[in-house]
Amino acid sequence: GAGVSQSPSNKVTEKGKDVELRCDPISGHTALYWYRQRLGQGLEFLIYFQGNSAPDKSGLPSDRFSAERTGESVSTLTIQRTQQEDSAVYLCASSTIGLAVYNEQFFGPGTRLTVL
Amino acid sequence: AQSVTQLDSHVSVSEGTPVLLRCNYSSSYSPSLFWYVQHPNKGLQLLLKYTSAATLVKGINGFEAEFKKSETSFHLTKPSAHMSDAAEYFCVVSVREYGNKLVFGAGTILRVKS
Repeated sequence: GAGVSQSPSNKVTEKGKDVELRCDPISGHTALYWYRQRLGQGLEFLIYFQGNSAPDKSGLPSDRFSAERTGESVSTLTIQRTQQEDSAVYLCASSTIGLAVYNEQFFGPGTRLTVL
Repeated sequence: AQSVTQLDSHVSVSEGTPVLLRCNYSSSYSPSLFWYVQHPNKGLQLLLKYTSAATLVKGINGFEAEFKKSETSFHLTKPSAHMSDAAEYFCVVSVREYGNKLVFGAGTILRVKS
């Protein structure tokens, strides 16, 4: 079946502009996660959704970052007033159950964001 | 707190020779440990996981890893490398007491020479 999809695959923007990154999780997966992968580094946790609520936003690096999820499916990560330090690959993952019990997280291919 | 250190940023092996990717972790609690693989332009894929059962864990594509609590290590091995194994590998730890969030190592790029 279809895996996790993300769009766009690549995004180039100018410093100061806002960007929206989209994630479509696997159908039926109630848990959704956003991660950031900077060049040469491992993934950093950003935010976790259980259904439409976000019980853990601890990884969001600043108030310029926000995310929402509607209908227990699609999620959007928004970065306002982008900075060059926001350049990274943004990865989305989904799983059947959330953080209370470990379940395998299935990852999308990511969105490569470049801020000029 | 919990953290993961992958000791080599790059590993190069010849096809048919053994693979060893090293990982050490730090955790105040009993961790769950994972190895993920990322092929170019593809999403992360789970190779194997340790969740407090057998300490020697077998994964897909002939990979295995051994949890050694005394050494706080979870090294990934494969007896014979194949060209298709060339990818980036991530060691990952999660701890129930920290909400099972995944904490990733920086990654090891495996190159397989013919």
